[in-house]
Amino acid sequence: GEDVEQSLFLSVREGDSSVINCTYTDSSSTYLYWYKQEPGAGLQLLTYIFSNMDMKQDQRLTVLLNKKDKHLSLRIADTQTGDSAIYFCAENPDGAGGYNKLIFGAGTRLAVHP
Amino acid sequence: DVKVTQSSRYLVKRTGEKVFLECVQDMDHENMFWYRQDPGLGLRLIYFSYDVKMKEKGDIPEGYSVSREKKERFSLILESASTNQTSMYLCASSYTGTSGNIQYFGAGTRLSVL
Repeated sequence: GEDVEQSLFLSVREGDSSVINCTYTDSSSTYLYWYKQEPGAGLQLLTYIFSNMDMKQDQRLTVLLNKKDKHLSLRIADTQTGDSAIYFCAENPDGAGGYNKLIFGAGTRLAVHP
Repeated sequence: DVKVTQSSRYLVKRTGEKVFLECVQDMDHENMFWYRQDPGLGLRLIYFSYDVKMKEKGDIPEGYSVSREKKERFSLILESASTNQTSMYLCASSYTGTSGNIQYFGAGTRLSVL
């Protein structure tokens, strides 16, 4: 069945890199997403990657996709206190188009300490 | 910018009350979704709608119903609120575009049922 798994917590020192990992089960997923949720707020799309790519970089964010292992990671370079949030991985198992739902992981709470 | 507005940030209701959660989007999106978010469980899909007057059950529809009379508005109804429905409720909308099914979220409604 469809399932997305993430570790629940990650603690890093300010200025270090953070790596948040995610595994998914549905190989038909055409797009994979990373969302960020700050305290008391809804989810905000951070970035997404098309399944025929293995890497996408956007400023401090790097997304790596290993389609063979169904493994997705989000690397945040030079992590700042403002990066403290919950990060959700999501897959789009039915591919692009239509009203297809997203399957979300449980979220990884990133804590950045001085 | 896409705006998804949930009518209340916080609600306190009593067991047995009928509760309405309202969501409005301003981007003419076809698809709208209701999730509940609980710690350690991530987002769970309650219902979604892909057109006016159309609805589909998500993963946890029991105890909930929905209404979509106009394209921009999607309401979640708790027919008889119970304490186990205390949660954060998130509304989202999406269109079918070249990036799959990006969902845009409201700020959430934190519901407490006493």
